[in-house]
Amino acid sequence: EAQVTQNPRYLITVTGKKLTVTCSQNMNHEYMSWYRQDPGLGLRQIYYSMNVEVTDKGDVPEGYKVSRKEKRNFPLILESPSPNQTSLYFCASRSKGSANYGYTFGSGTRLTVV
Amino acid sequence: QKEVEQNSGPLSVPEGAIASLNCTYSDRVSQSFFWYRQYSGKSPELIMSIYSNGDKEDGRFTAQLNKASQYVSLLIRDSQPSDSATYLCAVTIRMVAGGTSYGKLTFGQGTILTVHP
Repeated sequence: EAQVTQNPRYLITVTGKKLTVTCSQNMNHEYMSWYRQDPGLGLRQIYYSMNVEVTDKGDVPEGYKVSRKEKRNFPLILESPSPNQTSLYFCASRSKGSANYGYTFGSGTRLTVV
Repeated sequence: QKEVEQNSGPLSVPEGAIASLNCTYSDRVSQSFFWYRQYSGKSPELIMSIYSNGDKEDGRFTAQLNKASQYVSLLIRDSQPSDSATYLCAVTIRMVAGGTSYGKLTFGQGTILTVHP
């Protein structure tokens, strides 16, 4: 089944403790992206990647890192999480040639930083 | 001005009515336009895409695009309680990074739709 898989689905952590949210897609997509969703603010892009080793900042990159060493994986790293990073996170992917078909989203990761 | 704006609602319509959802965008070079549906606690699901002026119909859904007015809408005919969800408008803007072009997808804040029996 074609899908984007995120892990974990739920995570509660403490301020300052490094964490990684994994994202993997099995569709050989070139483009991958991370979004966070907060009430009243919609989905905001954190980082995106156009292919292996090609990444760039989105609208809200502060406090996050990403890497794209393999085409299928695009982990989101929070080096020192803070409470304002409590949010619902989505990973998404699409193929380079499917600009008119939109992104496929993972199931989401609900992160709480206390 | 936000890049993509939607009426946050909530929008409430009776079962069987037409639900009309609206979205405006600020960047005239926007190329592709999408409507996603998101049920509470779930991920966004693509329901319509449109990139040419005019109407595009798919079952009970019709997307309308007017690039001159920078306006895109979604009509849901014969609304059902199962259509109750948040509807997200998204717009692709062509960006260039590191010599490579990329379609950046920007979302509106979403409109909550409730269809009551």
